[in-house]
Amino acid sequence: GQQVMQIPQYQHVQEGEDFTTYCNSSTTLSNIQWYKQRPGGHPVFLIQLVKSGEVKKQKRLTFQFGEAKKNSSLHITATQTTDVGTYFCAGHSNYGQNFVFGPGTRLSVLP
Amino acid sequence: GAGVSQSPSNKVTEKGKDVELRCDPISGHTALYWYRQSLGQGLEFLIYFQGNSAPDKSGLPSDRFSAERTGGSVSTLTIQRTQQEDSAVYLCASSPRTGATNEKLFFGSGTQLSVL
Repeated sequence: GQQVMQIPQYQHVQEGEDFTTYCNSSTTLSNIQWYKQRPGGHPVFLIQLVKSGEVKKQKRLTFQFGEAKKNSSLHITATQTTDVGTYFCAGHSNYGQNFVFGPGTRLSVLP
Repeated sequence: GAGVSQSPSNKVTEKGKDVELRCDPISGHTALYWYRQSLGQGLEFLIYFQGNSAPDKSGLPSDRFSAERTGGSVSTLTIQRTQQEDSAVYLCASSPRTGATNEKLFFGSGTQLSVL
């Protein structure tokens, strides 16, 4: 079945440093989504990418969808303590099927 | 309400007991998902309902787990003869699923299940 992997599992950065997490799927994705889960909270939708090679930005966050639609990345510029949490990617191979989540990357930001 | 509602927020039960977890999705959302999240871990898919289609039960870990969705709205996840390894946060999410660009998941706050 479809598998979604993320690296790294954990990342500790100093406030102001950049951060990147990578997501890889074993199958081609129809779209990919990113979610953020704050400690003690539930996942909250950040963004969806649909097109091959698509790049979207949200303030300090940059999201990319690979040309082959099998990988994606999330880059945070100049991290802040408010960026702390676990970032999950999720996708499915075909519309109408369930979403498979990656294991997440837990980000810690030291002030 | 405006969001996905789950109840109870916390459930403590004894090993061997049955439990029922409830999810009220956002009104009008046709897709409903159940995920399980153990402490510090990722989201484990359990079951997915989409409209009137047969549910995707491929993620249910054993036959002790079952779920139903009545009237295309409220869903109940039932765990029979609970075991200690069932302890986790059970998250429900719903989605409008009206098109490929409108699939984002809205999560409830989860039910923290503790099996003693």
